[in-house]
Amino acid sequence: DVKVTQSSRYLVKRTGEKVFLECVQDMDHENMFWYRQDPGLGLRLIYFSYDVKMKEKGDIPEGYSVSREKKERFSLILESASTNQTSMYLCASSTQGATNTEAFFGQGTRLTVV
Amino acid sequence: GESVGLHLPTLSVQEGDNSIINCAYSNSASDYFIWYKQESGKGPQFIIDIRSNMDKRQGQRVTVLLNKTVKHLSLQIAATQPGDSAVYFCAENVNFNKFYFGSGTKLNVKP
Repeated sequence: DVKVTQSSRYLVKRTGEKVFLECVQDMDHENMFWYRQDPGLGLRLIYFSYDVKMKEKGDIPEGYSVSREKKERFSLILESASTNQTSMYLCASSTQGATNTEAFFGQGTRLTVV
Repeated sequence: GESVGLHLPTLSVQEGDNSIINCAYSNSASDYFIWYKQESGKGPQFIIDIRSNMDKRQGQRVTVLLNKTVKHLSLQIAATQPGDSAVYFCAENVNFNKFYFGSGTKLNVKP
């Protein structure tokens, strides 16, 4: 069974803290994604990685950075958490190329910044 | 990009009826489309996909229709069941890498 695993289901952090959200996939996928999901706004792409150490900004990268040191792991970093970063964060992975398949999602991390 | 709004569109249907959920996509270069279902507290799950060289694809109880002329995608669910209650998202894929999502439609199935 294919799997995308996010390290935490729920997190509560203080304003100004540095926050790490971890994601691991076991499907040897080239692509990995971080989205945030807010009510009525759907899923918005924060960052995208198409290979180890390669990354591309999505639609809302401000306030975030990412790290992909290994193919199976993609980390989202909030350098200095703010209350407007309270949200559901979803990690996903997919294959690359002409025989692409759907993106597989993790269960999500609900982050609250107080 | 996808449509933005504060209120999630809701579709209410009676159990046993057919449901049709619509989605407008924005990029004429998109070549792959997916419908996802998201239940409360869970990540989105794949339902069905379609490539841009097709206009219809059928799965078990679900059908996706693609109209490239007007950039419109629809998901039809036959004989809707209470377990179909969820938020449904369409996603478009450009150049075999990034996925962009619509804002979602909440399907409410009444027993």
